[in-house]
Amino acid sequence: DTAVSQTPKYLVTQMGNDKSIKCEQNLGHDTMYWYKQDSKKFLKIMFSYNNKELIINETVPNRFSPKSPDKAHLNLHINSLELGDSAVYFCASSQRPRAGATDTQYFGPGTRLTVL
Amino acid sequence: SQQGEEDPQALSIQEGENATMNCSYKTSINNLQWYRQNSGRGLVHLILIRSNEREKHSGRLRVTLDTSKKSSSLLITASRAADTASYFCATDAYGLAGAGSYQLTFGKGTKLSVIP
Repeated sequence: DTAVSQTPKYLVTQMGNDKSIKCEQNLGHDTMYWYKQDSKKFLKIMFSYNNKELIINETVPNRFSPKSPDKAHLNLHINSLELGDSAVYFCASSQRPRAGATDTQYFGPGTRLTVL
Repeated sequence: SQQGEEDPQALSIQEGENATMNCSYKTSINNLQWYRQNSGRGLVHLILIRSNEREKHSGRLRVTLDTSKKSSSLLITASRAADTASYFCATDAYGLAGAGSYQLTFGKGTKLSVIP
């Protein structure tokens, strides 16, 4: 019973290609997130998505776009991939924050993206 | 700029010893969370401590929070080889990414190695 799942687990592609990573959660959570973890293990928030409200980290290039077909899914589309996009991407979910405070986040297993 | 920073970056101890990791942050927070990441896996939530709490326990874990010093510590008692992982603190600074934002900011982590 996987709580947060991502596909694919590994993605190897050429520069300039467009790719997508899928994320699904079966926890009934209202909020989903995408994080990028670089080679030094630094984990950085990219997006949070809550009830069609998208909050974007201003440092994320507009080549990255999250798409949510429903509350249980938040997919990540990346256009014109660059070498610097190589990293591990994590999806996470949580209950809707209350009073501005976040709740426990549940992470997927990660997708290792390698851009050649 | 980065909100949370763990110290030390790496820690190696013998099985049975206690492990202490520290986290410092810069702005006021609503809560602080600790996560564990095993090699090649996603993050797993360990414990959440709210800004009005000073200490919290969960099994062999003990977390303290000193809001006046903007610091937290994670103590793992009687460590086991299975505790080998990277440990991250994450802070929820309300509005850090804009009014009403629901985002956690992670530190770079402490890599703990427990030698059998």
